Amino acid sequence: DTGVSQNPRHKITKRGQNVTFRCDPISEHNRLYWYRQTLGQGPEFLTYFQNEAQLEKSRLLSDRFSAERPKGSFSTLEIQRTEQGDSAMYLCASSLLAAYQETQYFGPGTRLLVL
Amino acid sequence: AQKVTQAQTEISVVEKEDVTLDCVYETRDTTYYLFWYKQPPSGELVFLIRRNSFDEQNEISGRYSWNFQKSTSSFNFTITASQVVDSAVYFCALSPHGGGSNYKLTFGKGTLLTVNP
Repeated sequence: DTGVSQNPRHKITKRGQNVTFRCDPISEHNRLYWYRQTLGQGPEFLTYFQNEAQLEKSRLLSDRFSAERPKGSFSTLEIQRTEQGDSAMYLCASSLLAAYQETQYFGPGTRLLVL
Repeated sequence: AQKVTQAQTEISVVEKEDVTLDCVYETRDTTYYLFWYKQPPSGELVFLIRRNSFDEQNEISGRYSWNFQKSTSSFNFTITASQVVDSAVYFCALSPHGGGSNYKLTFGKGTLLTVNP
């Protein structure tokens, strides 16, 4: 059983450019989460999907951020007009919600550097 | 609001020493989940344990053990006979429980454990 995968693993971009990250969850998992982690901090929740529906977005997710999960499979996170403050590790996690229990399994993350 | 505090920013031990990582949490929920994750230098968060709030039984898995005390809102993690491969950042996390709600994780800031040979 393969784990959660994320691409690219590293991204360097110039301020003002758009970037898109992809997350492929564990195949039977119905929930997918995005988190952001800055240096020396724990991950912070950004948004999550149950199947293809995006059910909650954090206030951290400005209108420059958009996430999709078409057909309830892989997900993409796009950042438009990147700013230096967007530099962080973006983590994806997936889970199978069953009987009100779940454990989130994380991918290796995409490390973004905005110059 | 939920909050997790890991007061120890960094711990350094010599191989074979026992080490305990502290975690204190705050929540208004009556039921919740507690987790520990390990983040090695590669960056991927590795799941270690999940504990339901209604199950206060301590757990041991090999060299790892966890002590959950609801009365003090603590969920501490002990590594016995530490090894160099245990060197990583360890995160304690908390999530709601029940219904179809968002089970988003609230993480502490992590404890960097360095095990020296």
